[in-house]
Amino acid sequence: GAVVSQHPSRVICKSGTSVKIECRSLDFQATTMFWYRQFPKQSLMLMATSNEGSKATYEQGVEKDKFLINHASLTLSTLTVTSAHPEDSSFYICSAKGAQGYGYTFGSGTRLTVV
Amino acid sequence: AQRVTQPEKLLSVFKGAPVELKCNYSYSGSPELFWYVQYSRQRLQLLLRHISRESIKGFTADLNKGETSFHLKKPFAQEEDSAMYYCALFNTNAGKSTFGDGTTLTVKP
Repeated sequence: GAVVSQHPSRVICKSGTSVKIECRSLDFQATTMFWYRQFPKQSLMLMATSNEGSKATYEQGVEKDKFLINHASLTLSTLTVTSAHPEDSSFYICSAKGAQGYGYTFGSGTRLTVV
Repeated sequence: AQRVTQPEKLLSVFKGAPVELKCNYSYSGSPELFWYVQYSRQRLQLLLRHISRESIKGFTADLNKGETSFHLKKPFAQEEDSAMYYCALFNTNAGKSTFGDGTTLTVKP
């Protein structure tokens, strides 16, 4: 079945630095990718939706200059957390939807810790 | 290896009938299991957490460690339950989550 690879799985960075998280669809073309952030009690918050070749659509309250999303190809989307702060520490998950078929495939997530 | 299996891609029942969406998992530690639902043209939202043992919208799910299952059940399905359902296993300390492929539930009138 469809597989989405997300890297890194865990990352620790210093305050003020930037971190890039990659999300790749391994065996299908992902026309749309989604980035989620996990909040306490395990709820997922949709941060943004990206379509290949166009700018991402950010949800209300999500700073697009802080969370840079690039979807340059049909198999790769990246989320860059710029000038990270401790409050950005969280669990980030991507998911992808192919042009054909139905449903969404999720990455395994990235645990970001900003110290 | 951490794995979640939802054996049914499509499930169709009539309104008022009982429904069960299957979820099996493999995990070496103590699992944190969840059910998420996505209604048409809406966002993914949390439906159930196994640790809270709560019932949301009439749905329940019991963790069966012996059978490594976390099936989602509702005694009387409603048309508004038609949606895509995802079973997920989280190990956030290790930075890993695993979602099932999802089951599309259609409740017919």
